[in-house]
Amino acid sequence: EAGVTQFPSHSVIEKGQTVTLRCDPISGHDNLYWYRRVMGKEIKFLLHFVKESKQDESGMPNNRFLAERTGGTYSTLKVQPAELEDSGVYFCASSRWSWTGLYNEQFFGPGTRLTVL
Amino acid sequence: SQQGEEDPQALSIQEGENATMNCSYKTSINNLQWYRQNSGRGLVHLILIRSNEREKHSGRLRVTLDTSKKSSSLLITASRAADTASYFCATDALYTGANSKLTFGKGITLSVRP
Repeated sequence: EAGVTQFPSHSVIEKGQTVTLRCDPISGHDNLYWYRRVMGKEIKFLLHFVKESKQDESGMPNNRFLAERTGGTYSTLKVQPAELEDSGVYFCASSRWSWTGLYNEQFFGPGTRLTVL
Repeated sequence: SQQGEEDPQALSIQEGENATMNCSYKTSINNLQWYRQNSGRGLVHLILIRSNEREKHSGRLRVTLDTSKKSSSLLITASRAADTASYFCATDALYTGANSKLTFGKGITLSVRP
């Protein structure tokens, strides 16, 4: 079974530019999550999709961030315009839907390292 | 305040020794998970322990959970140089719905000297 994949692995952009990150979850996983780790800080939740619907977007920092999951498969996270404080590693994770949530094992991708200059 | 906080923040041991890492959290949880991150790589899922479980084993890993103290420990026995990595605990809070987000601590850096 292929794991979660993310593209690109690294992105270096200038302040004010736009960047789009992509995540392909494990096949059959309805849950898809985005997390971010800013240098020196803990990994923080951004948002959660169930299939194509946004279940929880409480972690999105501001309206410069837009996430989509058209068709309930892969997801994109767009940052427009990028600011210096957006630099960090963006992780995507996926898990199977569980009615009870008792086994919410989330499997992470390798992350995209974003550097905003 | 952080949901998951690990200690120590850094640990250096000799190959073959056991490594014990602790995690504390503040709110009631559904599950607690441990992850490993090798330098510059993604997060690898190690083990999940449910809130009604007290101990779980997987290979050289042993995880305990004490919900009364809101704490967990990860024991790696007979450590190897390849265990050198950062280790994170992550929790999903009770009453936030099924399949909810994880809250991470800052992580523990484990160095295993050959």
